[in-house]
Amino acid sequence: DQQVKQNSPSLSVQEGRISILNCDYTNSMFDYFLWYKKYPAEGPTFLISISSIKDKNEDGRFTVFLNKSAKHLSLHIVPSQPGDSAVYFCAVANSGNTPLVFGKGTRLSVIA
Amino acid sequence: DTEVTQTPKHLVMGMTNKKSLKCEQHMGHRAMYWYKQKAKKPPELMFVYSYEKLSINESVPSRFSPECPNSSLLNLHLHALQPEDSALYLCASKSNRGWTEAFFGQGTRLTVV
Repeated sequence: DQQVKQNSPSLSVQEGRISILNCDYTNSMFDYFLWYKKYPAEGPTFLISISSIKDKNEDGRFTVFLNKSAKHLSLHIVPSQPGDSAVYFCAVANSGNTPLVFGKGTRLSVIA
Repeated sequence: DTEVTQTPKHLVMGMTNKKSLKCEQHMGHRAMYWYKQKAKKPPELMFVYSYEKLSINESVPSRFSPECPNSSLLNLHLHALQPEDSALYLCASKSNRGWTEAFFGQGTRLTVV
């Protein structure tokens, strides 16, 4: 049974518009949430994180929102750029140091 | 140097072969991880080493044998693998400050024939 679900395998967005990637988790014990970006033939690279004491974290064009009651987080990218085209993984941990549990990923395509 | 280096990048091996995957980092991280990722699936944890000692083995078959000879190096020894073991094997290292200070290698794409 998946503990972390990314229900959209793919997403296509026009350049300049907002990309919204969603992630749901099942275990309320998770308290640390991360987004990773992965290009083909490369390992995942850390993008942005949020801990359970916050509901929003922003870093440039990237914002992560956390809704603890719904066990849901989302990644907003605005404005989207063609270089953002990649697979985005949601990952969760307990207290920031336990091993990461990953979602299946969402492939984002930003069209120029 | 914020790099985790994995070698080889690609490996094709027969079911009777013995091979090893290597992972190296020089960031002083004392937690190192092996993840396995099959196509269209998320990375799945295999092993965790903490201070060069195996701390987590996620019920991985014994044909996979991890080794951490020193604080910079993590190996994964492979023997008598099956075709279903074909996958991308990812290594990661993490500082004590948590996953925001963690890095993944490029992975080794393993094909078992």
